[in-house]
Amino acid sequence: QQQVKQSPQSLIVQKGGISIINCAYENTAFDYFPWYQQFPGKGPALLIAIRPDVSEKKEGRFTISFNKSAKQFSLHIMDSQPGDSATYFCAASMESGANNLFFGTGTRLTVIP
Amino acid sequence: DTGVSQDPRHKITKRGQNVTFRCDPISEHNRLYWYRQTLGQGPEFLTYFQNEAQLEKSRLLSDRFSAERPKGSFSTLEIQRTEQGDSAMYLCASSLASGPQYFGPGTRLTVL
Repeated sequence: QQQVKQSPQSLIVQKGGISIINCAYENTAFDYFPWYQQFPGKGPALLIAIRPDVSEKKEGRFTISFNKSAKQFSLHIMDSQPGDSATYFCAASMESGANNLFFGTGTRLTVIP
Repeated sequence: DTGVSQDPRHKITKRGQNVTFRCDPISEHNRLYWYRQTLGQGPEFLTYFQNEAQLEKSRLLSDRFSAERPKGSFSTLEIQRTEQGDSAMYLCASSLASGPQYFGPGTRLTVL
């Protein structure tokens, strides 16, 4: 059973556009929600993370929006660049991240010039 | 480079052989995690350590898999009697007690 559901599976965006990736979860015990970026042949790299006491967190061009009542969260990449082309994973964890991460199935983002 | 390191980066083995992977975490991190990632999927949790104690194991970790962290620093993951279904990327991550997890580059295992 997939604990975190992620969509879309793939996404193509023009350079300068906004990329939006969505995730949903069921387990209300989750209290830490990170996003990871992964390039082919590399390990996942932490991008940004949020806890449920805030509805939005922004770091540079990356923003997480969090809707606790809907049990959904999303990643927005503003001014998308070809270098952002990678696979993005949302994840969720309990105990403020001290526990294991449950990952979504990933979104392959392609930013075309 | 003070990030998480893993060795080897690639391993090709024949079915039935034993393999061992090593992970060196970020030096001050007391938590160490192992995940497995198959093609086109997100990482799946296998096990984690706090210092030298193995605190949790996933049901994915069959009795052919064993992990150790003898001195609370580096960790090893051994797979005995490898099967073709074990082919995957094995990822290690480390963290402080309640901090974000940082991943290593992974070990790509191919079982022929």
